[in-house]
Amino acid sequence: AQSVTQLGSHVSVSEGALVLLRCNYSSSVPPYLFWYVQYPNQGLQLLLKYTTGATLVKGINGFEAEFKKSETSFHLTKPSAHMSDAAEYFCAVSEIGSSNYKLTFGKGTLLTVNP
Amino acid sequence: EADIYQTPRYLVIGTGKKITLECSQTMGHDKMYWYQQDPGMELHLIHYSYGVNSTEKGDLSSESTVSRIRTEHFPLTLESARPSHTSQYLCASSETAGAGELFFGEGSRLTVL
Repeated sequence: AQSVTQLGSHVSVSEGALVLLRCNYSSSVPPYLFWYVQYPNQGLQLLLKYTTGATLVKGINGFEAEFKKSETSFHLTKPSAHMSDAAEYFCAVSEIGSSNYKLTFGKGTLLTVNP
Repeated sequence: EADIYQTPRYLVIGTGKKITLECSQTMGHDKMYWYQQDPGMELHLIHYSYGVNSTEKGDLSSESTVSRIRTEHFPLTLESARPSHTSQYLCASSETAGAGELFFGEGSRLTVL
């Protein structure tokens, strides 16, 4: 069975500072990995995904994430936070080759950006 | 641009009422899902469908029911709403092939008094 752990339910950074949101997963097979963002009163929007190939994945709004198999991690980063980045971020995993396309989500990390 | 729509966005209703949350997508996706989301908690899958006339219960037990008579439409129904059903309900869809990326609607926030 697959699972996702997001370390830190709430992360607070200053505008212009580095954003680092942590995600670790467990999966019995190589996974597909995703980061979603949710703004207040909206649904989830895909930020980026890792399937195969390059382990550093670039997404929208200047975010990127690196798949590290040895650490079973897929941390999300952005070099310089902007006020508009304040939102909740969800990491998710699905299993490659599975006919079951259900994603497993982490509990989410609320990002606050201070002026 | 994802094209998946949920109505109503917000609903406040009394205990015992029947409610239906609508979800429609125009992307031709075979797979559709309903997630329940509470503050500070992970998203819980409550129903999914892999095509017309196919519905399955998800990981979280729910008293709601779903139907899939048309590819584009996946409504969720509560026959008798209770305060414990107060939550946000998110509908999503995905392509038949691919990595399983989900496209989400904006959600329906249900409050049962």
